[in-house]
Amino acid sequence: DQQVKQNSPSLSVQEGRISILNCDYTNSMFDYFLWYKKYPAEGPTFLISISSIKDKNEDGRFTVFLNKSAKHLSLHIVPSQPGDSAVYFCAVISSGSARQLTFGSGTQLTVLP
Amino acid sequence: DTAVSQTPKYLVTQMGNDKSIKCEQNLGHDTMYWYKQDSKKFLKIMFSYNNKELIINETVPNRFSPKSPDKAHLNLHINSLELGDSAVYFCASSQAGTLNTEAFFGQGTRLTVV
Repeated sequence: DQQVKQNSPSLSVQEGRISILNCDYTNSMFDYFLWYKKYPAEGPTFLISISSIKDKNEDGRFTVFLNKSAKHLSLHIVPSQPGDSAVYFCAVISSGSARQLTFGSGTQLTVLP
Repeated sequence: DTAVSQTPKYLVTQMGNDKSIKCEQNLGHDTMYWYKQDSKKFLKIMFSYNNKELIINETVPNRFSPKSPDKAHLNLHINSLELGDSAVYFCASSQAGTLNTEAFFGQGTRLTVV
């Protein structure tokens, strides 16, 4: 029973355009949300995060939006670059003591030159 | 200088064997984790461990056990390997007690059981 869902397994975008990756979660107790990026044969690397008290966080070309009422998270990349091609995982942290990450299933982003 | 390192990167072994995967972090973090990425690419938590508590995902078979000789290491021991254990295993670490506790991951160990 997936608590974090990424319903699009893949996304292709033209270089220079906007990439929008989506994530839905089920538990309103989650209080911190993250995006990770993963290249083949490497571990996931942290990209950007947002706490539940905010609805937007921006870092250069990357912006994360949080809609708590809809339990929806999105990552916008603009402009998209070929080097952004990777698998993007959204992840959540619950308010419990362990602070474990629960991941979505990932979205393969391909940015076409 | 690698922050979280795992060895080996690839491991091929026969069913029934016992194997270990080592993990070391040089970030001074107090919490370490093991994740499993299965054939469907889901990343699932197996264990989280700091010097105070070990939290085990209830779906993890007891053939899997974490061993921490010190704060910078969390090794994964697997007994009586089965075909279904084939996956990529990722070690990670984070600093507990802060809100923005993003975890740092190792490069993964691809385990193939034949």
